[in-house]
Amino acid sequence: DTEVTQTPKHLVMGMTNKKSLKCEQHMGHRAMYWYKQKAKKPPELMFVYSYEKLSINESVPSRFSPECPNSSLLNLHLHALQPEDSALYLCASSQDPTSSPRQPQHFGDGTRLSIL
Amino acid sequence: QKEVEQDPGPLSVPEGAIVSLNCTYSNSAFQYFMWYRQYSRKGPELLMYTYSSGNKEDGRFTAQVDKSSKYISLFIRDSQPSDSATYLCAMSARSSSGSARQLTFGSGTQLTVLP
Repeated sequence: DTEVTQTPKHLVMGMTNKKSLKCEQHMGHRAMYWYKQKAKKPPELMFVYSYEKLSINESVPSRFSPECPNSSLLNLHLHALQPEDSALYLCASSQDPTSSPRQPQHFGDGTRLSIL
Repeated sequence: QKEVEQDPGPLSVPEGAIVSLNCTYSNSAFQYFMWYRQYSRKGPELLMYTYSSGNKEDGRFTAQVDKSSKYISLFIRDSQPSDSATYLCAMSARSSSGSARQLTFGSGTQLTVLP
């Protein structure tokens, strides 16, 4: 089991639905990340939160909306998704971004999302 | 040219073999190097993390970094069927500010260890 917990593990939704993915970590990490991973490809970065503030948005379509309510939680709100958005969505976290040396990212097991 | 190159395999070896997985990179700003193992339908699991040239050993795993050649390796000794997974190298650059830095991944190598 990982120390980054993602729910739900699987999600099937229609293109008009609104749903949210949730991520939680209790390691005291201050940076949290959303990645998208397609089959047989490496993870692609979507968003980075550093000290609960959005620091990187990799030109992700607005149908994906991240939210960081506190230092332990990260949400990804989904609306009007397209079939090509079907993928494994991974959350990761890392320690204090100001630490030196930088600490590695720890991943959750992801939410497998299917868009009908 | 990609910043990080990794042979995608697939790589098949018999149980007990020594496995060598490699990545090359072009960005000399990369200072932090990681190897992740990803089982099917799971998230990447951190195996090794290093930020200096040389070798780092953890059990059956050895990570090797050669910054002068921009080349990193992961060696698995006495490989087991349970080592069958996709192995991803990842690296990041040093940040001058307090912001989190993103990872650049290799494409992943699919490894099968045959009993």
